[in-house]
Amino acid sequence: QKEVEQDPGPLSVPEGAIVSLNCTYSNSAFQYFMWYRQYSRKGPELLMYTYSSGNKEDGRFTAQVDKSSKYISLFIRDSQPSDSATYLCAMSPNRGQNFVFGPGTRLSVLP
Amino acid sequence: GAGVSQSPSNKVTEKGKDVELRCDPISGHTALYWYRQSLGQGLEFLIYFQGNSAPDKSGLPSDRFSAERTGGSVSTLTIQRTQQEDSAVYLCASSFPLGSYNEQFFGPGTRLTVL
Repeated sequence: QKEVEQDPGPLSVPEGAIVSLNCTYSNSAFQYFMWYRQYSRKGPELLMYTYSSGNKEDGRFTAQVDKSSKYISLFIRDSQPSDSATYLCAMSPNRGQNFVFGPGTRLSVLP
Repeated sequence: GAGVSQSPSNKVTEKGKDVELRCDPISGHTALYWYRQSLGQGLEFLIYFQGNSAPDKSGLPSDRFSAERTGGSVSTLTIQRTQQEDSAVYLCASSFPLGSYNEQFFGPGTRLTVL
């Protein structure tokens, strides 16, 4: 079993839909959770960062962490074609340590 | 420039040749990471530098891979006697671990093709 699992997709949705992206993990020591967005032929860029359990909202994006289930989610409201990218989750037990990345989910938002 | 830069952006080489990939991190970032991303795969961690030292080399796939960092800045990833399975995008990231959180800023990557 991989340390971080993520459905690779591709996931296709119509413009305006609510998108749910998820990761599961096995290491209960993970406390720091990030979501990165990667456009084609570009490096990943940080979207959301959360510590421990709970929700965090930033504009159209909401990140949720459920440590009891070892499950994290990223919700995108009113999805736009410009949201079409690969979304990678990343997590770490310690702020200063290297993060473990999921394989990424490829999202296409169709106009 | 303000971001992480990598060179070359693309590299095509023949099996058995050596290649050097370069990363220029964001100024002031003490931590530097190398990852490999193959088609359909996630980011595979290779090596992590804190300053010029590499406390974590656990991800280097074989002794053909090595990396160094000088002056706490530029890093070079060297792959000797390249194999076709080395074909991938090699990503570099830098961070300031003592900041509010350890956000890694990524470069655009070097796309390596071994023929």
